Amino acid sequence: GAVVSQHPSRVICKSGTSVKIECRSLDFQATTMFWYRQFPKKSLMLMATSNEGSKATYEQGVEKDKFLINHASLTLSTLTVTSAHPEDSSFYICSATSGTSGRYTDTQYFGPGTRLTVL
Amino acid sequence: QKEVEQDPGPLSVPEGAIVSLNCTYSNSAFQYFMWYRQYSRKGPELLMYTYSSGNKEDGRFTAQVDKSSKYISLFIRDSQPSDSATYLCAMSEGGTNAGKSTFGDGTTLTVKP
Repeated sequence: GAVVSQHPSRVICKSGTSVKIECRSLDFQATTMFWYRQFPKKSLMLMATSNEGSKATYEQGVEKDKFLINHASLTLSTLTVTSAHPEDSSFYICSATSGTSGRYTDTQYFGPGTRLTVL
Repeated sequence: QKEVEQDPGPLSVPEGAIVSLNCTYSNSAFQYFMWYRQYSRKGPELLMYTYSSGNKEDGRFTAQVDKSSKYISLFIRDSQPSDSATYLCAMSEGGTNAGKSTFGDGTTLTVKP
C-alpha cells in the first residue's frame, strides 16, 4: 500500500513553545491531507483538511491560529502547534489521499503518528 | 446520533475463533467503505476496501456491505493473537467530498492464545 511518513514520532516540549510536525506521502501525490488528533482509547478526531496550495479547512472547535497547517506541495503538509500547553498533549496523526485517482478511490493512508507531550 | 455507529467492545476471543465486527450508518450517500486496523500507539493501516454493496475476501478477512440496511461487517477467520488491535470502520461519499471519511469509534479486539 501507499506509504505516508510522519516526523517526529515523539516530541516532548516545554509549555509555550511551538512544535512542527511533518507529514509526507512517499510514493504518491496527495491531493488532500488530513490531520487528526486521537486521545487514549478514543477514535480519530478530524482537525483539518488541507489541499495543496490552498488554505486548510478546520473542523468546528479547532483553533486555526493555534494549529497552523501548511500544505506546500503534493507530498508535504506540516502542522505547527503554536504556544503549546499541556492540554495539547495528544497523539497527532496525518493521512493522505489521492482522491479519485489511484487504485483505491477515496482511501486515506495514514502516517505512523506523532506523540506530543507538553510539560 | 452519530453518522457512523460502532460497538467499542472490548471484544475478547480465543485463538482460532471467528470474529465479527460491525458498523451501522445513517448517511445513504456513503459509497466507499473501509476497514482499518490500528495497533497501540501506531497509525491506522488500511485492511479492506469495498465500493458499494457486496462481499470482498482477502485471506482470512471478509468485508460485507449491505447498503439497503446501512450495515457493514468485517469477519476474521481463524483469528490469531497478532490480530489483537483496534478496528475502525470508515466510509466516504466520494464526489465533491472525495477523500474525506467518517470513522467509527473503533472496536478493540483481543485474541487470546
